[in-house]
Amino acid sequence: DAGVIQSPRHEVTEMGQEVTLRCKPISGHNSLFWYRQTMMRGLELLIYFNNNVPIDDSGMPEDRFSAKMPNASFSTLKIQPSEPRDSAVYFCASSSGQGVQPQHFGDGTRLSIL
Amino acid sequence: AQSVTQPDIHITVSEGASLELRCNYSYGATPYLFWYVQSPGQGLQLLLKYFSGDTLVQGIKGFEAEFKRSQSSFNLRKPSVHWSDAAEYFCAVGGYNKLIFGAGTRLAVHP
Repeated sequence: DAGVIQSPRHEVTEMGQEVTLRCKPISGHNSLFWYRQTMMRGLELLIYFNNNVPIDDSGMPEDRFSAKMPNASFSTLKIQPSEPRDSAVYFCASSSGQGVQPQHFGDGTRLSIL
Repeated sequence: AQSVTQPDIHITVSEGASLELRCNYSYGATPYLFWYVQSPGQGLQLLLKYFSGDTLVQGIKGFEAEFKRSQSSFNLRKPSVHWSDAAEYFCAVGGYNKLIFGAGTRLAVHP
């Protein structure tokens, strides 16, 4: 069975550029989560969707960050314009059912902003 | 406020030795508790979860964890560590559809 698929696995770009990270959740899962992992701050929840609707975006750091989920099988996290402090590993996770459920993580996108 | 504390940032054990990773949580109601493992360059993989019932839960790869409400703890254990267990381990508490993760414990295994 395919797990959560993220692309690209690695992204290196210059500051000021737009960055788009992509995620395909596990088929049938109705919740999707975007996390950011850094050495300094650990694993932070940025935003999560339920049935394609954003439920909690309180973790999104700034207006430069935006996330969409146009359908049940695809989500994007966009940073525009990017800054060096955005460098991190970004994870997407999905889960199924109601309430708190185990989340299944993708392998992440390692983002470096020069 | 919900929070998770993993007191040990880094632990080193010898292969074959027993292991216990500590996790303390703060949560206002009955918690949903999880342990995840992260190998280098990979995402987090679920080891085990506690929702209710038996306070000793078994997980994958020979791991188990015990929920102790009186101590607000959910420690992870393994009787005999293998070199392949070297990774980072995260405890998490769940509420309102979200998970709150601890800072992680990095496990090194000596041959």
